[in-house]
Amino acid sequence: QLRLQESGPGLVKPSETLSLTCTVSGDSSVITGYYWGWIRQPPGKGLEWIGNIFYSGTTYYNPSLESRVTISVDTSKNQFSLKLNSVTAADTAVYYCARRYSTTWRFSTHWYFDLWGRGTLVAVSS
Amino acid sequence: DIQMTQSPSSMSAFVGDRVTISCRASQGISNYLAWFQQKPGEAPKSLIYGASSLQSGVPSRFSGTGSGSDFTLTISSLQPEDIATYYCQQYSTYPLTFGGGTKVEIK
Repeated sequence: QLRLQESGPGLVKPSETLSLTCTVSGDSSVITGYYWGWIRQPPGKGLEWIGNIFYSGTTYYNPSLESRVTISVDTSKNQFSLKLNSVTAADTAVYYCARRYSTTWRFSTHWYFDLWGRGTLVAVSS
Repeated sequence: DIQMTQSPSSMSAFVGDRVTISCRASQGISNYLAWFQQKPGEAPKSLIYGASSLQSGVPSRFSGTGSGSDFTLTISSLQPEDIATYYCQQYSTYPLTFGGGTKVEIK
């Protein structure tokens, strides 16, 4: 069964860079053929999409974060990563990685988040 | 950006009640809509995609309807394990956006 696991520091200082990795396990070449995304959730608040990367490396970012975000993929390690620079307290959140699965439904292709990691809390504080 | 507005933001109902949650998009998104269930301390779980297609393994008491800009998630008979916050999300256009969530509690 496919599993996603976020890893990285739980505490980052203001103005520094937040770096997280999502490791996908459960099958060989599991990264291939899908979009992979990062979503975050500040404590007690709703979900915010950060960005996606296709296994080939094509990226899409939330314009509200685009100037500070980089998402990359390493297919040889079945991993994809998030870097968010110049963080502030407003970036404190649970960060989730997720897979965007593709299926055909009513003659259209649907790319939706079907599998999520358990999430990791990252606090920004000095 | 497409804004997703959910209503109500919270609600309570009796076990066995029919529960409906609304989600409205600020512009038409066809049926590119997903619903998620998030229990406290857990990651979101996929319930529905394509506005009405049930994800594998999700109980049949959950259903979704709608197209264009108005959507509904229905729980036909509320169970204690359904206590959670429910989110809609559009994937028609980047940036992907979520609704603000609907917290469902038991009376």
